[in-house]
Amino acid sequence: EPEVTQTPSHQVTQMGQEVILRCVPISNHLYFYWYRQILGQKVEFLVSFYNNEISEKSEIFDDQFSVERPDGSNFTLKIRSTKLEDSAMYFCASTGHPYNEQFFGPGTRLTVL
Amino acid sequence: GQQVMQIPQYQHVQEGEDFTTYCNSSTTLSNIQWYKQRPGGHPVFLIQLVKSGEVKKQKRLTFQFGEAKKNSSLHITATQTTDVGTYFCAGTNNAGNMLTFGGGTRLMVKP
Repeated sequence: EPEVTQTPSHQVTQMGQEVILRCVPISNHLYFYWYRQILGQKVEFLVSFYNNEISEKSEIFDDQFSVERPDGSNFTLKIRSTKLEDSAMYFCASTGHPYNEQFFGPGTRLTVL
Repeated sequence: GQQVMQIPQYQHVQEGEDFTTYCNSSTTLSNIQWYKQRPGGHPVFLIQLVKSGEVKKQKRLTFQFGEAKKNSSLHITATQTTDVGTYFCAGTNNAGNMLTFGGGTRLMVKP
């Protein structure tokens, strides 16, 4: 069964450093999302992406964040200058239709020291 | 902005007991989805409800969408240890496809 994959599974970085989290959505999906989940808390929407542009973003997704689909398979989330409060699990998700179920990847645990 | 609340936050049950989690939105939803997240895992889609008053069943799980499309519930009959996890509702409104998640209900089942 096709699945969303994410790399790395765990990323440790120093405050102020840039990180890039990578996702490979399911191949025939067209809608891509990033969410974050601080430990023990709820899943928070960051951004949705369709047709090579951002379709929606939340207040969390400020100028420090950017997304890109550099080729036909990868979907990346970049945090330019990480802060301690960026420590969380970051989930990528994809779907074939915007109102259908979203398929989540296994997540990348980001730890900012 | 849209807010989605879930209660209770935690629920401990004895295996075999029933369990219900309730979801309330501050705004009318176009649809609501339910996800289950096992400890250390990622959210996994369970079901989507679209119509006002809709009721759907999956084996021991019953999902309801309120008439006003602002609330929903998930009921599990005769819980099993495999039901352990956090159950999240997530709604979208007519403004877009952004999923707003509730805070989740963490279910713990004692064998």
